Amino acid sequence: DAMVIQNPRYQVTQFGKPVTLSCSQTLNHNVMYWYQQKSSQAPKLLFHYYDKDFNNEADTPDNFQSRRPNTSFCFLDIRSPGLGDAAMYLCATSSTGTSGEETQYFGPGTRLLVL
Amino acid sequence: AQTVTQSQPEMSVQEAETVTLSCTYDTSENNYYLFWYKQPPSRQMILVIRQEAYKQQNATENRFSVNFQKAAKSFSLKISDSQLGDTAMYFCAFISNFGNEKLTFGTGTRLTIIP
Repeated sequence: DAMVIQNPRYQVTQFGKPVTLSCSQTLNHNVMYWYQQKSSQAPKLLFHYYDKDFNNEADTPDNFQSRRPNTSFCFLDIRSPGLGDAAMYLCATSSTGTSGEETQYFGPGTRLLVL
Repeated sequence: AQTVTQSQPEMSVQEAETVTLSCTYDTSENNYYLFWYKQPPSRQMILVIRQEAYKQQNATENRFSVNFQKAAKSFSLKISDSQLGDTAMYFCAFISNFGNEKLTFGTGTRLTIIP
């Protein structure tokens, strides 16, 4: 089945220790998104890639970076995690140019714990 | 900027009953899409139902249906014959039809189905 996959599902890191979260998709969608979701809140968009074009949200801290080496993969790098970065990180994809293009499909998320 | 409002932070209903979750939005655009997403506890966010603004007919997906009132900018979700597996956080979301746009979420409604 076509899907959005996130690894790992749970990640524990230490305060200030860099961490990378990964997302892959078999949907062949050209847009990939990273969201941060804290408990009982709506997801907050960090950035997205429209093909290779990177779009950063104005309020996304510089501590968060992203890479998209190819269509299928996208990475979220947190350079120096703080306690406030503990959250669920959701990856999503969508496809432009087709009916239903604006629908975003979410991965299962990676729950990040910062000690 | 678009806004999405969900005025019911929490709701509960007996199993097999019908429940309606409300959502209102604000936009100056004429072409857009509306979604209801479901996020069960500690589980993946999944698409429940999708509505194109240019379609007058309300979308339905099995036990899920919407009441889309474009003039009133209202988009409620009705769940019929509710089941225990419907217990989840439900997010209403909006996106415009201009490409490369952000998905705007409401704050969510936590729905509990009582056995």
